[in-house]
Amino acid sequence: DSGVTQTPKHLITATGQRVTLRCSPRSGDLSVYWYQQSLDQGLQFLIQYYNGEERAKGNILERFSAQQFPDLHSELNLSSLELGDSALYFCASSVEGLDYNEQFFGPGTRLTVL
Amino acid sequence: AQKVTQAQTEISVVEKEDVTLDCVYETRDTTYYLFWYKQPPSGELVFLIRRNSFDEQNEISGRYSWNFQKSTSSFNFTITASQVVDSAVYFCALSEPSSGGSYIPTFGRGTSLIVHP
Repeated sequence: DSGVTQTPKHLITATGQRVTLRCSPRSGDLSVYWYQQSLDQGLQFLIQYYNGEERAKGNILERFSAQQFPDLHSELNLSSLELGDSALYFCASSVEGLDYNEQFFGPGTRLTVL
Repeated sequence: AQKVTQAQTEISVVEKEDVTLDCVYETRDTTYYLFWYKQPPSGELVFLIRRNSFDEQNEISGRYSWNFQKSTSSFNFTITASQVVDSAVYFCALSEPSSGGSYIPTFGRGTSLIVHP
């Protein structure tokens, strides 16, 4: 158990819909990262938040957005869903230091868009 | 060109065999980090090791060992006396500094290791 929690575990929805994925980092970790894992694209970094502020952006679509709240939990919002958005979405957290970037991953949310 | 190449898509071995998973990376940064993660059938990603670019010492942890060679930009992972529980997808990742100062990982496509009893 990494200490990172993600809800829900599974999500099935229809094209055009909007969903919110939730992540709670390990106690003490200030950074939260979101990743998408699909058969086509592999494991891809989406976005990082550090202590409430966006820190880095990767291959995140404009239809997707995220935020980190004062209690450090994070939410990833996916809107206007398409079939290709079906994937496993991971959240990871880390203690962001000058040279420390070990990330601990949550169990993932499996999103299926029908 | 891919930043992290795991050329072996799938490896199949029999229990107790040694197996090496290859990882070749590409970066222009002098400071970077390399990682290996394991993703068992349950789906969770498990951290195995982190190595910074200035530390070329090989590391051994039980049946696992890692060979980091900057000269060939490789960070290979060897499992000695493999066991069925080692069956998983293994990802190599490279973390480079981003414009915001944070280190962002790029993952290889993974190597699926199947260990037969």
